[in-house]
Amino acid sequence: DAGVIQSPRHEVTEMGQEVTLRCKPISGHDYLFWYRQTMMRGLELLIYFNNNVPIDDSGMPEDRFSAKMPNASFSTLKIQPSEPRDSAVYFCASSLGTSGYSTDTQYFGPGTRLTVL
Amino acid sequence: QQPVQSPQAVILREGEDAVINCSSSKALYSVHWYRQKHGEAPVFLMILLKGGEQKGHEKISASFNEKKQQSSLYLTASQLSYSGTYFCGTEKDSGAGSYQLTFGKGTKLSVIP
Repeated sequence: DAGVIQSPRHEVTEMGQEVTLRCKPISGHDYLFWYRQTMMRGLELLIYFNNNVPIDDSGMPEDRFSAKMPNASFSTLKIQPSEPRDSAVYFCASSLGTSGYSTDTQYFGPGTRLTVL
Repeated sequence: QQPVQSPQAVILREGEDAVINCSSSKALYSVHWYRQKHGEAPVFLMILLKGGEQKGHEKISASFNEKKQQSSLYLTASQLSYSGTYFCGTEKDSGAGSYQLTFGKGTKLSVIP
C-alpha cells in the first residue's frame, strides 16, 4: 500500500500567488483530513471530508483557503492569494469510518512544506 | 479547545522511563496518541476510549481517566528510537461521532545514550 500521497513536498512562492496542494488518500478510506502545522499553533485541523463531502470547514482560517474533493482518490487545498503567515507544513490524512463514535486511525501523508516569501 | 500536554520537553537516558500527560477541559470520548519524528509525518501509536481502559504494546502504554479528562502515555526502558514529539489528539464526547481530533502542542522527547 502506497499510503497517503501528497504533492508537492516543498513549495516556495511569493506573496499574492495562488498555491495548490494535492492529496491522494489511501484507497478505501472514507475520511480525508487537511491539517496545518506550525511551531506556534501546533497541528490544526482545517477541514475534513466524508465520502467526498466537506463535513466541517470551521478550521479554515479565512476565505483565501478552499478545499475540494472531486472524487474518492483526490483532494486539493488551495490558497489564493497566499501570504507569508500561511507558511507552514500542510498534512493530509485519511481514515476508515467504520468504528462508529471514535475516529479510526488517521494515516498521515508526508506533508507539504509551504514557504510564502 | 486544544488539550494541554505536559511536560513540553523531556530528556532521558536510554533505559529510563517517562510519562507524558494530556488534559482537556471538555468531556472526551477518545484520546489518540501519535509520535512525530523530525521532518516526518505523525505516526499513530494508540487510541483509548472512555471507560478508563489502559492500552499498550511492548514498552509503550497509555491510560485514560474519563472523570478527569486526562490521559497519560507511559514509556518504559526508553530506547533511542523513542525520540520524537508526542502528540495527543482528543475527540469530544458530543453524543455522536465527531470524527474530529484536536491536537495538543506536543511533548518533545529526546533519548540520549
